[in-house]
Amino acid sequence: EAGVTQSPTHLIKTRGQKATLRCSPISGHTSVYWYQQALGLGLQFLLWYDEGEERNRGNFPPRFSGRQFPNYSSELNVNALELEDSALYLCASSNGLAENEQFFGPGTRLTVL
Amino acid sequence: SQKIEQNSEALNIQEGKTATLTCNYTNYSPAYLQWYRQDPGRGPVFLLLIRENEKEKRKERLKVTFDTTLKQSLFHITASQPADSATYLCALATDSWGKLQFGAGTQVVVTP
Repeated sequence: EAGVTQSPTHLIKTRGQKATLRCSPISGHTSVYWYQQALGLGLQFLLWYDEGEERNRGNFPPRFSGRQFPNYSSELNVNALELEDSALYLCASSNGLAENEQFFGPGTRLTVL
Repeated sequence: SQKIEQNSEALNIQEGKTATLTCNYTNYSPAYLQWYRQDPGRGPVFLLLIRENEKEKRKERLKVTFDTTLKQSLFHITASQPADSATYLCALATDSWGKLQFGAGTQVVVTP
């Protein structure tokens, strides 16, 4: 069974540009979560999508947005990039049931110059 | 404000010994707590879940305790091996179903 996949592996952008990150969940999983892991900090919850709807978002500005497609894959968009957006962005999926573990992808390393 | 604290200093331990990690939280009433393992440059991997009404959970060489009075979870790796070297994260389920709040993690280094 294929795990969670993310693309691209690395992404380099300059300040003010827009970044688009993609995630494909495990087959059968309807929930997708996005986290930001900046150097020296823990995982910060960004967004949660389930069945195509945004269910919750963390304490991030509106320039962080995303969507979930009918096939449950998801994309995260970061507009007006700032230097502090440089981080590892992790996507996780679950089958949406309470308490179930989240399966993480390998992440996208975003560098903003 | 809500806070999850894990030992920020790396835990260096000799092979065969038991590693004990702590996860303390404030201003939470978690329904459950999960522990994950993260290797450098990779996403976290789920290890164990413990519910608020459970005191202890075991899986192979791993043991987790959960004390909601002390607002603390302890994570034990018994008979540690060099392959156990990684960063271990605790995560709490907060008010929203499925939304996890993670601690910063504790690095464990097991030397032969």
